[in-house]
Formats: sequence, C-alpha cells, structure tokens
Amino acid sequence: GAVVSQHPSWVICKSGTSVKIECRSLDFQATTMFWYRQFPKQSLMLMATSNEGSKATYEQGVEKDKFLINHASLTLSTLTVTSAHPEDSSFYICSASNGGQEKLFFGSGTQLSVL
Amino acid sequence: AQSVAQPEDQVNVAEGNPLTVKCTYSVSGNPYLFWYVQYPNRGLQFLLKYITGDNLVKGSYGFEAEFNKSQTSFHLKKPSALVSDSALYFCAVRDVNSGNTPLVFGKGTRLSVIA
Repeated sequence: GAVVSQHPSWVICKSGTSVKIECRSLDFQATTMFWYRQFPKQSLMLMATSNEGSKATYEQGVEKDKFLINHASLTLSTLTVTSAHPEDSSFYICSASNGGQEKLFFGSGTQLSVL
Repeated sequence: AQSVAQPEDQVNVAEGNPLTVKCTYSVSGNPYLFWYVQYPNRGLQFLLKYITGDNLVKGSYGFEAEFNKSQTSFHLKKPSALVSDSALYFCAVRDVNSGNTPLVFGKGTRLSVIA
C-alpha cells in the first residue's frame, strides 16, 4: 500500500521556539493532506486540510498563525508550530490522499513535548 | 452533520474469545465507514472500510465489520482475539454526498486482550 512518512517521530523543544513537522507521500502524489492533533486517550481532532498549491483550510478554533501549514508540492506538507508553549504538547498526525477520503493514508505521528 | 459514537472506552477480552468493538454513526445521507487501529506512539493503520455492496466487510488481520443501516452501526469483530490485537481502535465516517469533507473519528476504544 501507499506510504506516508512523517518526521520527526519525537521532538522536545523549549518554550518559545518553533518546530517543523514534515509529512511526505513516498510513492504517490497527495493532492490533499490533513493534519490532526491527538491528546492522550482522546480521538483525533482535525486541525486543517491542505491542498497542494493553495492555502490550508483550518478548522474552527485552530489558530492559523500558530500552526503554519505549507503544501508546496504533491509529496510534501509541513506543519510548523510557531512559538511553541507547553499546551501545544501533543501527538500530531498527518494523512494524505491521492483521490478522496476512501484512499487516506496516515503518517506514524510526531510526539511534541514543549518544556 | 456527521458524527460517530464509540460507546465503550475499554473492551477487555480473553485470548481466543471473540471480540466486538462497537460503533454507531450519524450522517444525513449514505455513509462511508472506516476502522483504523493505533498502536502506542504510532499513526493510524487502516483495517477495513465500507463503501457500498456487501454489508459484511472483511479487513486486515482477520477483522471484519458489519454495516447495519437500520441500526446505523458498523461494529468491528474478530472470531478469535490475539494478545497482539491489543491497541486503540477508531471508527470513522464520512457522508458520501458531502464532497471531500474530512473523516469524522470516534473517540476510540482501547482493546485489551488478556492471555
């Protein structure tokens, strides 16, 4: 099946710094990528939807200036957590689609810990 | 609006016994339904999906799910549980007629298979 690579798997940073998470589709072109956030023992919360070459669509309550999403190519989307704070600590997961929600593939996730 | 309910936070089952993880959904039209599994500190892995056709869907690792339109349910089942099946399971739904809107996930059910 299709592979989505997410990097890094773990990141620990100081409060106030920015962290970039990459999501790559390795063997297919991802026209749409989704970014989710998962708190312990809770479900995935969709943060934003990004389409290649256009601005991301953010879900209600998600600060677009805080969570910068770039989908510059059909194989790469990045999520940058700017000026991270401890409350941003969470598990972030990306998913990619090459043609609708029926063909959705997930990255392995990134555990962000902000000290 | 779309929604998914997984009424059980935790399901415990003895190894070798059948298991059921419950899921009910709500959509305005016809549903696309999915089950995903998540192992600790990992992303989601696709198990199976219902798009159309036979109500009984067979998926990865011996899992199956039955689409029941009258009960708006899509319970995940396996005839004989393995310890390695212990993980977090998510049900997800999308309305067929909602364009490319993202999947809506349930809150997850933690399955523990005891040897």
